[in-house]
Amino acid sequence: ETGVTQTPRHLVMGMTNKKSLKCEQHLGHNAMYWYKQSAKKPLELMFVYNFKEQTENNSVPSRFSPECPNSSHLFLHLHTLQPEDSALYLCASGSGGETDTQYFGPGTRLTVL
Amino acid sequence: GQNIDQPTEMTATEGAIVQINCTYQTSGFNGLFWYQQHAGEAPTFLSYNVLDGLEEKGRFSSFLSRSKGYSYLLLKELQMKDSASYLCAVSDSNYQLIWGAGTKLIIKP
Repeated sequence: ETGVTQTPRHLVMGMTNKKSLKCEQHLGHNAMYWYKQSAKKPLELMFVYNFKEQTENNSVPSRFSPECPNSSHLFLHLHTLQPEDSALYLCASGSGGETDTQYFGPGTRLTVL
Repeated sequence: GQNIDQPTEMTATEGAIVQINCTYQTSGFNGLFWYQQHAGEAPTFLSYNVLDGLEEKGRFSSFLSRSKGYSYLLLKELQMKDSASYLCAVSDSNYQLIWGAGTKLIIKP
């Protein structure tokens, strides 16, 4: 596979469930990102990992928990979510340099009931 | 605060030319990106401008004026497959990307 892949593509969960989103990049990049995309709103940066170290956490609620075991894989663990967390969750990767062109996966469409 | 403005929606005709504008107010500037996002798909990189002027890449061109805090994406010879959302993003003084809400472009035959 090439590029950035995400699984699952669609997820429906109740507020008491625990689930995880997975992202994998095959581009040899050192940085990985989680974004939230809601309808008609700008992309919201959630977390940044550079060389497996978390370098950014944009005041994201603790019900979202990222994990980056290596520079190719990124997870977003979800628990006790709220209906307003329903959105498209996008993963991206980049070189990690200062002017970093980011390459995105297709996203996971999350619906919280 | 930091702000990126772009029109919510635009309509154009197949074969025509369309210009999508983006204005920004950010703390610092380290370049401006344009991405294309088809419905249900990943945003894909189109262009990056850091110096003033026009960058041409096939049917797509991107222009930047740093003094005016302004950029546009120009799409020529429009095709139906160009129907998508176009996202403008600015790299600020911390090299963080600040994103606009995107412009949905509808192409009509």
